[in-house]
Amino acid sequence: DQQVKQNSPSLSVQEGRISILNCDYTNSMFDYFLWYKKYPAEGPTFLISISSIKDKNEDGRFTVFLNKSAKHLSLHIVPSQPGDSAVYFCAATGAGSYQLTFGKGTKLSVIP
Amino acid sequence: DSGVTQTPKHLITATGQRVTLRCSPRSGDLSVYWYQQSLDQGLQFLIQYYNGEERAKGNILERFSAQQFPDLHSELNLSSLELGDSALYFCASSVSGGKDTQYFGPGTRLTVL
Repeated sequence: DQQVKQNSPSLSVQEGRISILNCDYTNSMFDYFLWYKKYPAEGPTFLISISSIKDKNEDGRFTVFLNKSAKHLSLHIVPSQPGDSAVYFCAATGAGSYQLTFGKGTKLSVIP
Repeated sequence: DSGVTQTPKHLITATGQRVTLRCSPRSGDLSVYWYQQSLDQGLQFLIQYYNGEERAKGNILERFSAQQFPDLHSELNLSSLELGDSALYFCASSVSGGKDTQYFGPGTRLTVL
């Protein structure tokens, strides 16, 4: 039972354009969501997070949107840069648990 | 560099064997988490320790065990290894073990032949 789903295994975007990565969750008890970026041969790196009391959080080029009614969140990267090419993982936690439940990741390729 | 260190970086062993993976958390972090990433799976939570005590258990097999020592480093012990245990094993740490950011180490790649 996959509680966090990233339905797009890969995404290609031109440099300078917007990248939109999507994530859906099924557990209504999740109340804190995170995005991690992972380069090959490295561990995941924290990118941005959002609490369920908000619907948007912004940090520089990165913005996360949360739609609680749809159980959907998205990560927007504007403008996309070649260095953003990596695998992006969506993660969620809540319901009195602090373990992270991860999606399977989306591989983003930003083409110069 | 996240500040979390893991050793060894790579480990190749045979079925039936036992291995120990080691993790040192970031300075000041009290909580340690272990995750497994198999080829076709996302990161799967295994177990969490906070200040030496087990706090949460996920999809950890009975053949696997972990502990966190007084100096806060942690070890993950994998025994009676099977081919399917081949994976990347990540350690993460956080300050309080609550809803604070988890910082990941570079991982240990385990290959069971």
